[in-house]
Amino acid sequence: DIQMTQSPSSLSASVGDRVTITCRASQSISSHLNWYQQKPGKAPNLLIFAASSLQSGVPSRFSGSGSGTNFTLTISSLQPEDFATYHCQQSYSTFYTFGQGTKLEIK
Amino acid sequence: QLQLQESGPGLVKPSETLSLTCTVSGGSISSSSSHWGWIRQPPGKGLEWIGSIYYSGRTYYNPSLESRVTVVIDTSKNQFSLRVSSLTAADTAEYYCARQWEMTTTGQEYFDLWGRGTLVTVSS
Repeated sequence: DIQMTQSPSSLSASVGDRVTITCRASQSISSHLNWYQQKPGKAPNLLIFAASSLQSGVPSRFSGSGSGTNFTLTISSLQPEDFATYHCQQSYSTFYTFGQGTKLEIK
Repeated sequence: QLQLQESGPGLVKPSETLSLTCTVSGGSISSSSSHWGWIRQPPGKGLEWIGSIYYSGRTYYNPSLESRVTVVIDTSKNQFSLRVSSLTAADTAEYYCARQWEMTTTGQEYFDLWGRGTLVTVSS
């Protein structure tokens, strides 16, 4: 199976900060990488698909980049509603796997 | 707008079999670009993909769960279902159903619509 490793596992930041979360795959997955946001008690919500494509309705302050084994999710200017847990997921292999999650907290 | 809703028991005994159903409303489950998946999340932990099914009925499963899991689809009812056998406490989790969208031009796939989830507790 393809292992997905996110860093950091948790992050404290302030409103207005620029934040970057990293996801690394154990083997090349081309651009088959998706990002989700999950708030407490809620289902995950798709933010970015195919490494860099913004899902409809998602604010443009979210962006994704990378290919191969290294990927990043960037939030350009944190808003209060962005404090949540973020998950990456590979769809290169039909044995889909997720990262362990990155919890973004208010500083 | 397409919506998904999980249903099933909230409490199941160890060694028993869990059955969950996902009802799709606001659209057809038979779209060729739509596949349907189950994902779970133990309390306080990360997401784990369980298995997926195409509208044709073709299935694929997480190898670590494959011996205990079955996913079926009922296009007449616009539903798909999950069965997990030989339950243990480790199967306690929030269970989500989701639409797995396939981009026909690139083959990229992603879970773009999710149900609200249903908490299943395995306990005697």
